[in-house]
Amino acid sequence: QVHLQQSGPGLVKPSQTLSLTCAISGDSVSSDSVAWNWIRQSPSRGLEWLGRTYYRSKWYNDYAVSVKSRITINPDTSKNQFSLQLNSVTPEDTAMYYCARAPGAAAAVDVWGQGTTVTVSS
Amino acid sequence: EIVLTQSPGTLSLSPGERATLSCRASQSVSSSYLAWYQQKPGQAPRLLIYGASRRATGIPDRFSGGGSGTDFTLTISRLEPEDFAVYYCQQYGSSPAITFGQGTRLEIK
Repeated sequence: QVHLQQSGPGLVKPSQTLSLTCAISGDSVSSDSVAWNWIRQSPSRGLEWLGRTYYRSKWYNDYAVSVKSRITINPDTSKNQFSLQLNSVTPEDTAMYYCARAPGAAAAVDVWGQGTTVTVSS
Repeated sequence: EIVLTQSPGTLSLSPGERATLSCRASQSVSSSYLAWYQQKPGQAPRLLIYGASRRATGIPDRFSGGGSGTDFTLTISRLEPEDFAVYYCQQYGSSPAITFGQGTRLEIK
């Protein structure tokens, strides 16, 4: 059974970098048949896909246009986890952040992390 | 980017009734890469339907999905008390973007 465990701070100051980590058990970040995603949810923006990383002989990343200039998603094969970094945050980035697995590059998300509430405030 | 519009915004029904939720896409969703999720307060979304009509593992057969192209539906044949929640559609066929609808709240009448 696949389990995703999120970690990271719940409070970030404006203009700083939001960093979250998602530890994977029951699967491998290097699997060539899954994609590892970050999704956020807020009352104003609803559910918003941010990006993903996946391995198909080499590593690929896809990012949402809305955050493309500020986001980095990195796999960490040594720890079997992946991370989210979102730079230059504003209060608009306040949201519940989820990591999630999709069993393919074109597949629905079938496993979600527990969620991390991130507030951007000074 | 494909925009998904769900209707109605809120649906008020009683247990035992049939629920029909709609999801309309701004352009055709390729290969029926359309999913439905259920979300209850304080929980992450749960996958119900993928590929427009395939039930995810462990999902009761009272949930069914249909449609193609730009128009999709989620039907709950006989509502159980635990079915009252918010439902989201999602398309995952337009690489690289994945988009969600704004949700339909299913409430007890």
